[in-house]
Amino acid sequence: ETGVTQTPRHLVMGMTNKKSLKCEQHLGHNAMYWYKQSAKKPLELMFVYSLEERVENNSVPSRFSPECPNSSHLFLHLHTLQPEDSALYLCASSQGGSSYGYTFGSGTRLTVV
Amino acid sequence: GNSVTQMEGPVTLSEEAFLTINCTYTATGYPSLFWYVQYPGEGLQLLLKATKADDKGSNKGFEATYRKETTSFHLEKGSVQVSDSAVYFCALSDGEAGTALIFGKGTTLSVSS
Repeated sequence: ETGVTQTPRHLVMGMTNKKSLKCEQHLGHNAMYWYKQSAKKPLELMFVYSLEERVENNSVPSRFSPECPNSSHLFLHLHTLQPEDSALYLCASSQGGSSYGYTFGSGTRLTVV
Repeated sequence: GNSVTQMEGPVTLSEEAFLTINCTYTATGYPSLFWYVQYPGEGLQLLLKATKADDKGSNKGFEATYRKETTSFHLEKGSVQVSDSAVYFCALSDGEAGTALIFGKGTTLSVSS
């Protein structure tokens, strides 16, 4: 148990489906992050939330829509995805700035068919 | 801008061999530096960190020293085990609230018995 829980662990979805990834932390952290990890590519930062407000959006396609309803929960809503969106999606949290490091969840392995 | 460069590998070693994974960084100011480890099928785990020059981070037999003069944070272990096989990521933080960690591309380590 890392303190950051991601569900589901695995997800297979068609290109016309709508699904959501969930991330939950009970560490008292006030910043949360979504990363995409594809095979043979560097970690890609997608979204940053600090104090429940989005502070960074790295030119992510609109088919990915984040939501942070409170400091403990973070969602990534998915719709009309492409096969190239298949990847491991990682959630992380931190306290204040990132100088203390992150705590990562185990990730959701997404396959788009 | 800030960046991290690490040797990409793969690094292949026999059990009990000495390990070095090089990491250098570019940053303004005085960043915090981290090593994360990712075991197969899992998220990233913080391995060790250092927050100021000449600090040495250590954990599970791994060590890294924050060298400001050479802008380096090389990861070392005196005797690797098969269970150390994983992907290792070097990362930095400039400490600003709401900013994300900057990761290197990751180095795959494979240890055989």
